[in-house]
Parts: sequence; C-alpha cells; structure tokens
Amino acid sequence: SQTIHQWPATLVQPVGSPLSLECTVEGTSNPNLYWYRQAAGRGLQLLFYSVGIGQISSEVPQNLSASRPQDRQFILSSKKLLLSDSGFYLCAWSEKDRETYSGNTIYFGEGSWLTVV
Amino acid sequence: DQQVKQNSPSLSVQEGRISILNCDYTNSMFDYFLWYKKYPAEGPTFLISISSIKDKNEDGRFTVFLNKSAKHLSLHIVPSQPGDSAVYFCAASARTGNQFYFGTGTSLTVIP
Repeated sequence: SQTIHQWPATLVQPVGSPLSLECTVEGTSNPNLYWYRQAAGRGLQLLFYSVGIGQISSEVPQNLSASRPQDRQFILSSKKLLLSDSGFYLCAWSEKDRETYSGNTIYFGEGSWLTVV
Repeated sequence: DQQVKQNSPSLSVQEGRISILNCDYTNSMFDYFLWYKKYPAEGPTFLISISSIKDKNEDGRFTVFLNKSAKHLSLHIVPSQPGDSAVYFCAASARTGNQFYFGTGTSLTVIP
C-alpha cells in the first residue's frame, strides 16, 4: 500500500531563517505531488504541484519554493522566512492517470506545523 | 477566485441526528468531487467521492449527493456520532489538469 511521510512535524523558526520541509511517498511511482498550506482558520491553499522530477508549478507568488529531486520526494523551502509563513503545511500525492468516468483521490501526509517568531 | 465554496463555517448537530454539509462550485469542468475529514494538527483523510456521471454515492453512514445543474453537492452523515466532530472539506477536480480545489471547510460539532 501507499504511504506518505513528511517531516519535521513541528518547528519554530526565527524570522529570516531558512526552511526545509521534506516529503516522501512510498508504494507508487510517478505520482503527482502537492504542497498545501492551511493558515489559521482558513481552508487549504495549494502552493505547488509537480507532475514529475524537476517539474514544479507554483499557484501563488510567495516567499517559498519547491523542488522534486527524485520521483517520490518533494521539498518545500525558503531562504528567509517571514512571519506570514506560519501555518500548517501539508504534502499530498495522487495518481497521474484517471480511470474512465472516475477521478483520482488525493492523499495527505501528517502535516508540519511551522511557527515563525 | 474561490472555485469551491463552503458557505457554512460551522454546524452543530445532536448525536443521532443527520448532519448535512453543503458545497458549491463554479467551474463546469469539474467532474470529480471528494469529501475529506480533518482533525486538528492532522492531515485530511479521504471520506467519500462522486463522479459527475452519478447523482448519489453511499458508503455506510456517509452519502454524497451531486446536483450538477445547481453546481452543488452535499454530504449527509446519518446517524451523527461525537467522533464525527471535525472539519470537513469538499474538493473538486477536472479531467483536464492535475489540481484539486478545496473549499474553506465546515467545522462539524456533534453534541452528545
């Protein structure tokens, strides 16, 4: 079966410090990968998605970047964190090909709480 | 622009009664819809989905209804249980594209 892991689960970082959140998926190959953020009291905002190694699409302009160095690894980074980067970050994956008259499910990791102080 | 909307931020229901969570969408290209349940500080977990070729899908206590003409879907939970208390997100996807669009969530509280 497929599993997804992301880490660290919690981190407190000072303003201006760098960030690296990592995510790996097991049990599948060539998945679509996603980074979402849930700010306090708000919905799930798509930050980045990737359909393959080195292929990153950004949904919103921001202080963050993403990379996909391997097929099942997705990394969220920042060179200098802002207070507004605080939130709950979620990595997710889905299959790439759809079945006829159906769709794909997106599966989420456990999440990473980031507090920028 | 929010393409998937959940206009009720919160809902309270007595244990044993029906919970109805609503979701509206604007993009007519969406053809697959999903509901997720989320506890605090955890990732959302998949509950149930429905394809646009259907108008109802049932899984145990959970039923999702789709009204394509109204661009509206709803999740019914019967009977509601205290363990159902969580935030529920609806999501939509289109055959063309790789993205999932989420609503802002509805916080359900089931009162014992």
